[in-house]
Amino acid sequence: EAGVVQSPRYKIIEKKQPVAFWCNPISGHNTLYWYRQNLGQGPELLIRYENEEAVDDSQLPKDRFSAERLKGVDSTLKIQPAELGDSAVYLCASSLDRGVIGEKLFFGSGTQLSVL
Amino acid sequence: GENVEQHPSTLSVQEGDSAVIKCTYSDSASNYFPWYKQELGKGPQLIIDIRSNVGEKKDQRIAVTLNKTAKHFSLHITETQPEDSAVYFCAANRGSTLGRLYFGRGTQLTVWP
Repeated sequence: EAGVVQSPRYKIIEKKQPVAFWCNPISGHNTLYWYRQNLGQGPELLIRYENEEAVDDSQLPKDRFSAERLKGVDSTLKIQPAELGDSAVYLCASSLDRGVIGEKLFFGSGTQLSVL
Repeated sequence: GENVEQHPSTLSVQEGDSAVIKCTYSDSASNYFPWYKQELGKGPQLIIDIRSNVGEKKDQRIAVTLNKTAKHFSLHITETQPEDSAVYFCAANRGSTLGRLYFGRGTQLTVWP
């Protein structure tokens, strides 16, 4: 079974440029998460989707970040414009059904973003 | 929100020895505590978890203990092997869904052969 697929693996951009990350969750998983992991720290939730609906986006910096999950399957996270402090690994994760306690959370390998 | 602290930040052990990583949490309503292993260049992978109604859980060489009164939980790895070398994260969650996991800062475990 394929895991959570993310692309690209690495992205280097100059500040003020836009960037987009793509995620394809495990087939059949209804809940999708975007986390950001700064160097030397644990992941922090940016947004959580249940099917197409963003049910928790309180941690998403909405002035420059946006996300979508059309058709409730794959998802895109965008930053425009990027700032130096956005350099981090962006992780996508999925769980089977509403992320009920006891379900496993599966992470992708992440996209490492470097903003110069 | 929840604050999860994790110690130590680095841990080196000899192959075959035991390793213990400790975490504390601040929100007494947190009820689910997973542990993740992250290898270089990969995403975190769940290795074991425990719910607040259980004090201890074991899976082969890995065990987790929870002290709700003191609000701390620990990961125990016995008979360590070089392939156990990775960054380990503890996390805490409240509520009935995996709404928002709060992670510790991680422990870099190195197992020397």
